[in-house]
This record gives sequence, C-alpha cells and structure tokens, in this order.
Amino acid sequence: DGGITQSPKYLFRKEGQNVTLSCEQNLNHDAMYWYRQDPGQGLRLIYYSQIVNDFQKGDIAEGYSVSREKKESFPLTVTSAQKNPTAFYLCASLPQGQFYGYTFGSGTRLTVV
Amino acid sequence: AQSVTQPDIHITVSEGASLELRCNYSYGATPYLFWYVQSPGQGLQLLLKYFSGDTLVQGIKGFEAEFKRSQSSFNLRKPSVHWSDAAEYFCAVGAGRDDKIIFGKGTRLHILP
Repeated sequence: DGGITQSPKYLFRKEGQNVTLSCEQNLNHDAMYWYRQDPGQGLRLIYYSQIVNDFQKGDIAEGYSVSREKKESFPLTVTSAQKNPTAFYLCASLPQGQFYGYTFGSGTRLTVV
Repeated sequence: AQSVTQPDIHITVSEGASLELRCNYSYGATPYLFWYVQSPGQGLQLLLKYFSGDTLVQGIKGFEAEFKRSQSSFNLRKPSVHWSDAAEYFCAVGAGRDDKIIFGKGTRLHILP
C-alpha cells in the first residue's frame, strides 16, 4: 500500500545534539512538507519542497534544515540552534495541486532529555 | 493572507447526540477547504474537502460539512456521534496555487457515555 513512513516514532535528543527525522513516501507525490505540532498551537509549517533539489522555508524554519535529493525522501534535521525542539513532528505529501489534500505520516515525537 | 479560526478549543457531547464543529476562514477568492481528524499520537486523516459545486459535502465516517460563502464558514457536522469519534479535528484552507495549506488550531472532541 502507498503511504508516508516517518521514523523513528519516538526520538530522544540530548541538548546540543543534532537529530534527523526521516520521511519517505511511495505515493509519487511531488510536494512534501514538515509541520511541528504543539498542544494548543495547531500545525506550524517548518519547510516544504515542491520539486527535487528545491525547498522553501515555512513559518518556523529557524533551527531546522532539510534536503530533497530524491522525490521519495524529505528528511528534517533538528539542529542544536532550535531552542525548544520537544514537539510532535508531522510529514505530509501532496500530488501536484491541492485537489486531494495532504497525506500525512504517523508522526515522530521528539523529546529533549 | 489565508487564515483559519476554530472558535472552540474543546467540545463535549453525549454519545448519540448531534455534533457541529465550527470553522471560519479568511481568503479573498474561493478557497480549498478541508477537515482532518487526528487520534492521539497519530497523523491526520482527511475527512472531507470542498473546492466548488455543491456546498454540502459528504465525507468519511458519516461526517458532512457545509460551505457558506456569506459567513466564510465551513462547519463540520455529524447527526449522531459514536465514542470512537473522540479525537482532535482540524479545519484547513488552501489557496490552490502554491500548495500550502493553513490549519486551524484544532477542536478536541470529548464524548460522554
């Protein structure tokens, strides 16, 4: 079955470390997105990519980095510059145009210890 | 710029009762409108969407929503809720052309037995 796979489901990071969250899709979707979710805050856009080797900052890109070397993959790195990284991270994809809406992965919960 | 407001942070209804979740949007043209549902610790699942045509749209799990341009609203309804409907619900709006979708902050639905 086609879908989006996020790994790991739970991730623990020590302060000062970079960590990378994986997002892989086999839907042949062009666009991919990273959102951060905090209680009561809804979903906030971190980065998005509409084609391979190109990506744009969202509303809260500071302290994060991404790459899009393959259509299927859009990893997110949470750097040590992100001062409050504990959150639930969601990856989504979209075929060309918004008609079908996003397909979401099941999320990664990142906790700083 | 697009925006979405979900006025109710929490809603509690009894099992078997009817449900209406409110959503107001701000956008100059006819928007792409979505409702998503999220169970705890999971990703978001698309319930229904509206782009044009009939203003009453049917979705999965017995949900429906009505687009009212004059009120800039897209309220979600269900005639009789089940305990399994307890979750968080997100309304979202898209402009169509740049593929970014903006989410409201969500409404958490609680079901009384």
